[in-house]
Amino acid sequence: EAQVTQNPRYLITVTGKKLTVTCSQNMNHEYMSWYRQDPGLGLRQIYYSMNVEVTDKGDVPEGYKVSRKEKRNFPLILESPSPNQTSLYFCASSFSSPGGHEQYFGPGTRLTVT
Amino acid sequence: ILNVEQSPQSLHVQEGDSTNFTCSFPSSNFYALHWYRWETAKSPEALFVMTLNGDEKKKGRISATLNTKEGYSYLYIKGSQPEDSATYLCAFEGSNYKLTFGKGTLLTVNP
Repeated sequence: EAQVTQNPRYLITVTGKKLTVTCSQNMNHEYMSWYRQDPGLGLRQIYYSMNVEVTDKGDVPEGYKVSRKEKRNFPLILESPSPNQTSLYFCASSFSSPGGHEQYFGPGTRLTVT
Repeated sequence: ILNVEQSPQSLHVQEGDSTNFTCSFPSSNFYALHWYRWETAKSPEALFVMTLNGDEKKKGRISATLNTKEGYSYLYIKGSQPEDSATYLCAFEGSNYKLTFGKGTLLTVNP
């Protein structure tokens, strides 16, 4: 089954404790992206990657790191999480084509930082 | 940060009504305009991705139009059904392939 998977799905952690949220896709997509969703603010792009070893900042990259060492994986790293990073996080992937990058979303990761 | 505006914020209609929403976006550095449907407790799902000015796309009872010169897109739902209840998101994809989403229109269709 073609899908985007994220792990963990739920996480409660404490301020300052480094964490990684994994994202993997089995569709051979070139484009991958991370979003956060907050009430009243909508979906905001954190980072995106056009292909292996190519990453770019989205609108809200502060406090996050990403890497794209393999085509299928795009982990999101919070080196020192803070309470304002409590949010619902979505990973998405897409083929790179002239017709725009239609996003296929993962199931989401709900993160709480206390 | 780019401004992508959706209106209305929310909408209640009766089953069988037709309805439409608006997405406005910057008219410069345009690459594509996306529409997604997002049901509660699920992930957003793509409806349309449009790139050409004047483009119209249709999927069943849902259709969308695009005007890149003036920076707006309309999403139409004909004969709304309760299962159409969801949040409808538009997203502007710029020439750098970065996506900026609007805050969405929450549609509730009453039986």
